[in-house]
Amino acid sequence: DTEVTQTPKHLVMGMTNKKSLKCEQHMGHRAMYWYKQKAKKPPELMFVYSYEKLSINESVPSRFSPECPNSSLLNLHLHALQPEDSALYLCASSQGQGNTGELFFGEGSRLTVL
Amino acid sequence: GENVEQHPSTLSVQEGDSAVIKCTYSDSASNYFPWYKQELGKRPQLIIDIRSNVGEKKDQRIAVTLNKTAKHFSLHITETQPEDSAVYFCAASRDANDYKLSFGAGTTVTVRA
Repeated sequence: DTEVTQTPKHLVMGMTNKKSLKCEQHMGHRAMYWYKQKAKKPPELMFVYSYEKLSINESVPSRFSPECPNSSLLNLHLHALQPEDSALYLCASSQGQGNTGELFFGEGSRLTVL
Repeated sequence: GENVEQHPSTLSVQEGDSAVIKCTYSDSASNYFPWYKQELGKRPQLIIDIRSNVGEKKDQRIAVTLNKTAKHFSLHITETQPEDSAVYFCAASRDANDYKLSFGAGTTVTVRA
């Protein structure tokens, strides 16, 4: 299984809602990532979990809250988002230490904030 | 931090012709340079990568070259086909413990039949 699975594929939420994005991989990868991608732009790194510990937080606003319940799962909790947070949210995983190889991306969750 | 510049932003080629995308990077400590392809509505996928101890790498119709002295690397696609139409992102990162990939802005490649 070389897939990263993300749910939901689409999400529409109001600015006062609380929702969560979920990501799962069963490749035994020990690093998991959240990226944000706007149309026609490259992915922007948000968070990295390495061996289930938060390794990088790229100064992301606190309305985004990541969680790594175990080595296969990664969540992104959303609360009080703004319309400019509308984007494609990509989860990714890699084997372990740093740039040892390929990032495997999920298909993404397309978020619209009204 | 690392700054990766990518050119051109758009590229239109006739089917069967070659396509070349160029990237420059600013951090001389960068040593890993992957290329990702993202088809419309799809996830980014790694198509080829190169490390700084290698000058060139080929995989069928795709090749990447690296010039460490000049701090630039390029993607070459030969005998382009319609399925090569996509956005291509170059990227760079530093040492083995660096999880951050600095992406270029992307090149939209259109292959005309």
